[in-house]
Amino acid sequence: DAGVTQSPTHLIKTRGQQVTLRCSPKSGHDTVSWYQQALGQGPQFIFQYYEEEERQRGNFPDRFSGHQYPNYSSELNVNALLLGDSALYLCASSFSAEAFFGQGTRLTVV
Amino acid sequence: ELKVEQNPLFLSMQEGKNYTIYCNYSTTSDRLYWYRQDPGKSLESLFVLLSNGAVKQEGRLMASLDTKARLSTLHITAAVHDLSATYFCAVSPNTGNQFYFGTGTSLTVIP
Repeated sequence: DAGVTQSPTHLIKTRGQQVTLRCSPKSGHDTVSWYQQALGQGPQFIFQYYEEEERQRGNFPDRFSGHQYPNYSSELNVNALLLGDSALYLCASSFSAEAFFGQGTRLTVV
Repeated sequence: ELKVEQNPLFLSMQEGKNYTIYCNYSTTSDRLYWYRQDPGKSLESLFVLLSNGAVKQEGRLMASLDTKARLSTLHITAAVHDLSATYFCAVSPNTGNQFYFGTGTSLTVIP
């Protein structure tokens, strides 16, 4: 089992651009959540997808959007990037109570 | 707004010593998680606590949950250098599935 995989691992974007991050969940897991972790802080919940629908959303602006595909893989899209969007973006997959995290995508906005 | 507070934020301890990290949270929940994060790495699951009074142990680490006090502890016994990392607790409220993380405790074990 490959576990939760994310791509790319690192990304550098210019302010104002758009970015798409990808996540493949652990085998058998149908729920995918996205988190933003700024340097020196704990992860913050962005949103969660289940059965291709956004089930819950944290306190993030509409510039952050997502999608889940029938195979449960997911994308996180961020439009109009700001310098403050620079962070580690973590994807977590779950089936029941426990969540497993991917290695993350380090996004740097310059 | 749900709050999860950890203390201490920074912990420097000598090898062989014992210490406890505390995690307080502000909502009704019987699901509490502990994760370890090494610099530049992702989150590694340590413990999943799903009921009041739950206690789990793995090696030199032991975690417990008191849902009535809204408190979880992570106890470190006879610390070794390999335990140096940042430890996060996370709460999943009974009304939802997302995780709310604490601010983390940066642990440094000194030889």
